[in-house]
Amino acid sequence: ETGVTQTPRHLVMGMTNKKSLKCEQHLGHNAMYWYKQSAKKPLELMFVYNFKEQTENNSVPSRFSPECPNSSHLFLHLHTLQPEDSALYLCASSQDRQGGNIQYFGAGTRLSVL
Amino acid sequence: TQLLEQSPQFLSIQEGENLTVYCNSSSVFSSLQWYRQEPGEGPVLLVTVVTGGEVKKLKRLTFQFGDARKDSSLHITAAQPGDTGLYLCAGQGKTSYDKVIFGPGTSLSVIP
Repeated sequence: ETGVTQTPRHLVMGMTNKKSLKCEQHLGHNAMYWYKQSAKKPLELMFVYNFKEQTENNSVPSRFSPECPNSSHLFLHLHTLQPEDSALYLCASSQDRQGGNIQYFGAGTRLSVL
Repeated sequence: TQLLEQSPQFLSIQEGENLTVYCNSSSVFSSLQWYRQEPGEGPVLLVTVVTGGEVKKLKRLTFQFGDARKDSSLHITAAQPGDTGLYLCAGQGKTSYDKVIFGPGTSLSVIP
């Protein structure tokens, strides 16, 4: 148990569906992250929130929409996804965005887009 | 652009064997982390190294940070099936606001 909980663990959706991924951290951290992990590729950082403010968006398509209502919760809203978006989506948190702060990961949501 | 390379990409060994995996970059890092990710799970932090030349031990795992803080190695002694997983290194850039970048990982399989 890392203190970062992601739901659901598995999700299958069609290209026309709308779904949301949820992440909750119980570590008292102020920074939260979304990563995409595809087979044979390094972890791809998607979004970073620091003290509820989005500080990074690494050229992520608009069909992915993050939301951070407070420092403990992070959502990733999905709509009109493509099959190539199928991947493991990982959430992480750290004390804040400053250097040297270790990131703790959730178990991920395995997403399949049909 | 900072990049981290890891080698080998895949490794399959018998239980009881020793192994070393490597994490290399042309950039200097202020710190480097090693994570292990088991199938269907997220990465779990194993260790952080900060000082050039630093060596840390975690039971049968020995981590070393290069003197120039550009590379790191992970040595496992007498590997066990429970060591199976994806080993990821992650480097923190020189300044406080530099991003953490991840290597592509080494996938280790320990056969009983």
